[in-house]
Amino acid sequence: GQQVMQIPQYQHVQEGEDFTTYCNSSTTLSNIQWYKQRPGGHPVFLIQLVKSGEVKKQKRLTFQFGEAKKNSSLHITATQTTDVGTYFCAGWGKSSGDKLTFGTGTRLAVRP
Amino acid sequence: EPEVTQTPSHQVTQMGQEVILRCVPISNHLYFYWYRQILGQKVEFLVSFYNNEISEKSEIFDDQFSVERPDGSNFTLKIRSTKLEDSAMYFCASGRDSNTSGNTIYFGEGSWLTVV
Repeated sequence: GQQVMQIPQYQHVQEGEDFTTYCNSSTTLSNIQWYKQRPGGHPVFLIQLVKSGEVKKQKRLTFQFGEAKKNSSLHITATQTTDVGTYFCAGWGKSSGDKLTFGTGTRLAVRP
Repeated sequence: EPEVTQTPSHQVTQMGQEVILRCVPISNHLYFYWYRQILGQKVEFLVSFYNNEISEKSEIFDDQFSVERPDGSNFTLKIRSTKLEDSAMYFCASGRDSNTSGNTIYFGEGSWLTVV
């Protein structure tokens, strides 16, 4: 079945440093979504990418969808303590039917 | 802003008991989902539901689990004969469009199930 992996599993940064998480799918995705989960919270939708090579920005967050639609990345510029949480990518596969498969997640910790 | 609501927020149950988790999806949504997250792990798909039937389910969703939409608003997950390993956060989610339309799904705050 479809598998979605993320690296790194965990990253600890100093406030103000940049952060990037990478997402790789075993199969081609029709689109990809990113979620943020604060400690003890539920996944909160951040953004959806649909087109090959698409890049979208939300303030300090930059999301990219790979040309082959099998990978994606999330980059945070100048992290803040409010960025703390786990970032999950999640993909609708072309052959996975009505199932959004979540990545393994990257937990971000920020030192003030 | 409309949201998915789940009850209970936390339930403790004895091993072997039956549990029903309830969800009220966003009102104009047609696609419904249950996911679970064991503490510290990733979010795992359980089942999707559309047009009053299961559209897809994972290997986790065996005969112990069932879903239904009894009254057109609630969407429930029933877990029969609970096991210790069923302890997890269970998230309900709903979406308006199909997968092929680039469905964005929205999650409830979860029901934390502890089996003792």
